Amino acid sequence: AQSVTQLDSQVPVFEEAPVELRCNYSSSVSVYLFWYVQYPNQGLQLLLKYLSGSTLVKGINGFEAEFNKSQTSFHLRKPSVHISDTAEYFCAVSGANFGNEKLTFGTGTRLTIIP
Amino acid sequence: ETGVTQSPTHLIKTRGQQVTLRCSSQSGHNTVSWYQQALGQGPQFIFQYYREEENGRGNFPPRFSGLQFPNYSSELNVNALELDDSALYLCASSLDRGLGETQYFGPGTRLLVL
Repeated sequence: AQSVTQLDSQVPVFEEAPVELRCNYSSSVSVYLFWYVQYPNQGLQLLLKYLSGSTLVKGINGFEAEFNKSQTSFHLRKPSVHISDTAEYFCAVSGANFGNEKLTFGTGTRLTIIP
Repeated sequence: ETGVTQSPTHLIKTRGQQVTLRCSSQSGHNTVSWYQQALGQGPQFIFQYYREEENGRGNFPPRFSGLQFPNYSSELNVNALELDDSALYLCASSLDRGLGETQYFGPGTRLLVL
């Protein structure tokens, strides 16, 4: 089984400042990792995912994340945030083998951009 | 390409009643997953259907059941509603049941059980 920990429930950031949203996972098997964003009253939208290869993954809207196997982390970063980035961000993990492929989500981080 | 749609958007039921939530997947997507998102929590996996057969289930009791139809629509049924069933219910479709597949989420149905 897999689990995800998002340590920060809320992160306030000034507009145009950089941001990092932290995600740590636990798994006994190899994993795939995902970041989803949820805007108010909307469903979740995929920002980026790591399946294999380069540990630095670039996604939509200028976001990127780095897979660190030794630290079991997959932190999300953006060098300069905008008001439109205000949303809830969810990290998710799935096992990289059949039988463990269901998505397990963290509890989310609410990103608030301060003008 | 149309997105994933869900109906109704909001629903109020009383304890003990039954409810059916509906989802329309993206055309061509053979897999649909359902999630329960309680207030302030991340989505929790309920079950997944692939080509109209259940293909994995989370830690939810049997009173949570589903159906998937050939026309890319699906249903989530919940019997004997409990207060704790109040949540946002999300469906997500994906092209196949392959590992690492991107799931496309609908806007959800918000269920309130009184």
